[in-house]
Amino acid sequence: SYELTQPPSVSVSPGQTARITCSGDALPKKFCYWFQQKSGQAPVLVIYEDSKRPSGIPERFSGSSSGTMATLTISGAQVEDEGDYYCYSTDSSGNHRVFGGGTKLSVL
Amino acid sequence: EVQLVESGGGLVQPGGSLRLSCVASGFTFSTYWMHWVRQAPGKGLVWVSRINSDGSRTSYADSVKGRFTISRDNAKNTLFLQMNSLRAEDTAVYYCAREIADWGQGTLVTVSS
Repeated sequence: SYELTQPPSVSVSPGQTARITCSGDALPKKFCYWFQQKSGQAPVLVIYEDSKRPSGIPERFSGSSSGTMATLTISGAQVEDEGDYYCYSTDSSGNHRVFGGGTKLSVL
Repeated sequence: EVQLVESGGGLVQPGGSLRLSCVASGFTFSTYWMHWVRQAPGKGLVWVSRINSDGSRTSYADSVKGRFTISRDNAKNTLFLQMNSLRAEDTAVYYCAREIADWGQGTLVTVSS
């Protein structure tokens, strides 16, 4: 079955740039989406179609994709950005959706 | 404002069945794909199933195929997930989502004897 691979954790100091990666064989041809989930809350979409930002999401969140890797970048990370981040995409057939295993972002 | 409200969760014995509902408001329900996603306690997100706008196309994760059925009633703005032959590993919070972008708050399903 198709898998998306993320690092389990990323840690940065406030004001630094946080980068979270997501690797998958189908990413060269399929869009990647990114979700933020804070403790006890439902996930929130922060990036869609590789690099687009939904309304209401701060400009410090950006996304990119190259080859088999997509990257979520948080420029000038803030304490309130702490949480779990998940990438999401589809396999090459387009039939099966999948989430990455999630990355815990610490900003301290 | 998009609102998605899940219900129908609860405690069920292994082998049992449960039907989840998700009532949508704030948008034209009949024009959107809808998804179910679950999250076991302390674990990551797992995509479960999706259905197209008129209900004619569905797909499932391998882990639930043949046991779960997604459906919708566009006249009632409601999405369903019929879950049969439930197992302990199906224990999770189940979220419905509009085109994976907007999510409800989830409903907890616990499979235990």
